[in-house]
Amino acid sequence: EVRLVESGGGLVQPGGSLRLSCAGSGFSFTYAWMSWVRQAPGKGLEWVGRIQSNTDAGTADYAAPMRGRFTISRDDSKSTAYLQLNNLDTEDTAVYFCTKGANYFDHWGQGTLVTVSS
Amino acid sequence: SYVLTQPPSVSVAPGKTARLTCGGNNIGDKTVHWYQQKPGLAPVVVICYNSDRPSGIPERFSGFNSGNTATLIISRVEAGDEADYHCQVWDSSSEHWVFGGGTKLTVL
Repeated sequence: EVRLVESGGGLVQPGGSLRLSCAGSGFSFTYAWMSWVRQAPGKGLEWVGRIQSNTDAGTADYAAPMRGRFTISRDDSKSTAYLQLNNLDTEDTAVYFCTKGANYFDHWGQGTLVTVSS
Repeated sequence: SYVLTQPPSVSVAPGKTARLTCGGNNIGDKTVHWYQQKPGLAPVVVICYNSDRPSGIPERFSGFNSGNTATLIISRVEAGDEADYHCQVWDSSSEHWVFGGGTKLTVL
């Protein structure tokens, strides 16, 4: 069974940082393209960015509003993807989902809530 | 950047057919995926590659994509189909994944 489990969310002050983790199991993580998608309260889905498998280019791409503040990385030895969130703003408050898939998102984690508030 | 437009809400009676649209400029030239999201849960893909059903998705779910509109069709709607539905495409010009705003399906 494919599982994606996010962790690391919580309450952070504006300007602060958080690192989210996504632990994968039940599939070959090494070959998986991983994305992060967020959902603000009561809003739709917003793609944050993705990281290719290291067997492909291994590069990360980001949605324009996140570029320069967010960084996606991966540790295949731990079957884990990461999302580093820096210089957070109240508008970054959302549930952050980890997803798997290069051509569409075939599995999603349960999400982790990030609340940016003073 | 590429924009996908979904109606905020659609209502349908049980047993009837729901048609959920996703509009975009020449979306027929792109590949559309659809996700179902029930309250408090993560999205689940119900249609991929415009019209394919992943394993475990009922045959009542179908999709097609042409011109400026992609459509998710849910036949013989059941109470359990009540959820938010999101369409998604890859925008090659910006190299971004793009989601529509989502449609809340209400089963009357």
